[in-house]
Amino acid sequence: AQSVTQLDSQVPVFEEAPVELRCNYSSSVSVYLFWYVQYPNQGLQLLLKYLSGSTLVKGINGFEAEFNKSQTSFHLRKPSVHISDTAEYFCAVRTNSGYSTLTFGKGTMLLVSP
Amino acid sequence: ETGVTQTPRHLVMGMTNKKSLKCEQHLGHNAMYWYKQSAKKPLELMFVYSLEERVENNSVPSRFSPECPNSSHLFLHLHTLQPEDSALYLCASSQETANTEAFFGQGTRLTVV
Repeated sequence: AQSVTQLDSQVPVFEEAPVELRCNYSSSVSVYLFWYVQYPNQGLQLLLKYLSGSTLVKGINGFEAEFNKSQTSFHLRKPSVHISDTAEYFCAVRTNSGYSTLTFGKGTMLLVSP
Repeated sequence: ETGVTQTPRHLVMGMTNKKSLKCEQHLGHNAMYWYKQSAKKPLELMFVYSLEERVENNSVPSRFSPECPNSSHLFLHLHTLQPEDSALYLCASSQETANTEAFFGQGTRLTVV
C-alpha cells in the first residue's frame, strides 16, 4: 500500500516571499504524483501532476514541483506568493500497477499575510 | 466549473431524517468516488464505483448507502446519522486508468443536529 506524508500542517509566509510545501511518499511500486489546492468551502482543484518525463513539473498559478525518486519526495514551490494563494494544499499519489485510487496526505494550510 | 456538480451545497438534517446527496459528472469518466472531509482529519475515501460497480467500500457505516445508477450519476443516501457525521462530503470522478487525476465537485457541507 502507498502512503503520503505532509509534515507541515500549517505554513505561514509573507506576501511575495518564496514558499515550499513538503511531500514525501511511500510505495513499493512506481507512482503518479499530484498536488491539489482547496479554497475555503470548495472542492479540490488540480495544481499539477507528475506522470513521467521531466522531474520538474509546472502547474497553474505559478506553482511548480520537483519529483525526486531517490528521496521519494514531490515538494511544491512558488517563488513569490500572493494573498490569494492562502488555501489548503494536498499531495496525492496513485500507483501505476493494477487497480489503484488516489491516496492523499493530511494537507498543508498555506497562510499568506501582507 | 469543474465538470462535477454536487447538490445540495449545504444540508442540515436531524438524526432521524433521511436525505440524499447527488453528484453528476459530464466528463465521460468511468469511475466515481465519495470522500468525507472532517475538520482536522485527512480525506477519507468512502466508496468507489468503477463502470457502475462498487469496487471499494472502506468500512463505512451502513447508515451511508451509495447508489450509482449510471456512469454519470452518484448518490449517497443518508439515514439515522450521528452528529460526528457532520463534514464536507466530496464527490470525484476520473478515468479508471492510473495516470489520470480525479476531478472534484464543490462538496456538500452536512450538519447533523
